[in-house]
Amino acid sequence: ETGVTQTPRHLVMGMTNKKSLKCEQHLGHNAMYWYKQSAKKPLELMFVYSLEERVENNSVPSRFSPECPNSSHLFLHLHTLQPEDSALYLCASSQDIAGSYEQYFGPGTRLTVT
Amino acid sequence: GQSLEQPSEVTAVEGAIVQINCTYQTSGFYGLSWYQQHDGGAPTFLSYNALDGLEETGRFSSFLSRSDSYGYLLLQELQMKDSASYFCAFYSSASKIIFGSGTRLSIRP
Repeated sequence: ETGVTQTPRHLVMGMTNKKSLKCEQHLGHNAMYWYKQSAKKPLELMFVYSLEERVENNSVPSRFSPECPNSSHLFLHLHTLQPEDSALYLCASSQDIAGSYEQYFGPGTRLTVT
Repeated sequence: GQSLEQPSEVTAVEGAIVQINCTYQTSGFYGLSWYQQHDGGAPTFLSYNALDGLEETGRFSSFLSRSDSYGYLLLQELQMKDSASYFCAFYSSASKIIFGSGTRLSIRP
């Protein structure tokens, strides 16, 4: 248990569906992150939030839409996904955004797009 | 461009020492991190180096040479539970982290 929880743990969705991934951190951290992990590819940073403001958006397709309503919660809204979007989506949090602050990862959501 | 290189696989013997190297290319550099990930698990933080030199934390040490754009993770007294993937990652800005493809470490008894 890292203090970061993600729901659901597994998700299967069709290309026309709309779904949301949820992340919650119980650590009092100020920064939260979304990552995509595909087989045989590096972990890819998708979005970074610091104090509920987005500070990084790594050229992620608009079919992925993040939301950070407060410093404890982070959502990733999904719509009209493609099969190549199937991957493990990891949420992480850290005290602040500097590299010296350890990132704590959640268990991930295994997403399959059919 | 920005890139990281690390070996895809390393095999070692229980009780031995292993070094996992990482070289990077980037125009901006804030520091180098290492993470461990067991199969089916989430990445866990091991170390962060912002300055040149060796940082030691128990059986694990991490080294950075900014002039050589090079770092390594040293694991001593290897245990079977150390079998995992190890990722190096650099910060190209305060908030942007770029991960390598990972090194899968297999440990033999």
